[in-house]
Amino acid sequence: SQQGEEDPQALSIQEGENATMNCSYKTSINNLQWYRQNSGRGLVHLILIRSNEREKHSGRLRVTLDTSKKSSSLLITASRAADTASYFCATQPMDSNYQLIWGAGTKLIIKP
Amino acid sequence: DVKVTQSSRYLVKRTGEKVFLECVQDMDHENMFWYRQDPGLGLRLIYFSYDVKMKEKGDIPEGYSVSREKKERFSLILESASTNQTSMYLCASSSPAGSGMRGYTFGSGTRLTVV
Repeated sequence: SQQGEEDPQALSIQEGENATMNCSYKTSINNLQWYRQNSGRGLVHLILIRSNEREKHSGRLRVTLDTSKKSSSLLITASRAADTASYFCATQPMDSNYQLIWGAGTKLIIKP
Repeated sequence: DVKVTQSSRYLVKRTGEKVFLECVQDMDHENMFWYRQDPGLGLRLIYFSYDVKMKEKGDIPEGYSVSREKKERFSLILESASTNQTSMYLCASSSPAGSGMRGYTFGSGTRLTVV
């Protein structure tokens, strides 16, 4: 089942600009994760933020989590052509050790 | 480098055929998952397994079955392939603790076309 909603559905920016994607969810969670999918390939795990964390960084990625608003954002700074991909958020519900609930994804295009 | 390997990248099968999609992981993960991904519908969970010989239905199990005889291998079976099962199939694995730390590891996907 899908509980995550991501916006925008698609985003096109110039190389070097920052890209921000947002994710909203519905239930209480253990953690929220972001994945990248290059066209026609599998998903790659980017970053995980726990419910008791508010912000996390990994290289050019910055993730924030607001559990009171049930929302998260992924910021990619200084974008590169290689960042062109679809980005998905996924939440691990509080009552599950197994499953992730997926958003529909944001398609990011970086124009050279 | 840790891996989830799906046996085929592209597969074309005829309607009514029995189709096997194989997935093998080398990370000693307990949990394994099969998803299908269709444009506009995102990732939908077909089946998952949290231990050898254990399986649980996901959101769209109809028309599919699974087998997990060994920890490292999780097979998805289309009993009688139909054109509406044309899709990208993604296998993933995780450990119960790891899913809270390192997320899922995905295979490269199998694009199945049923004609």
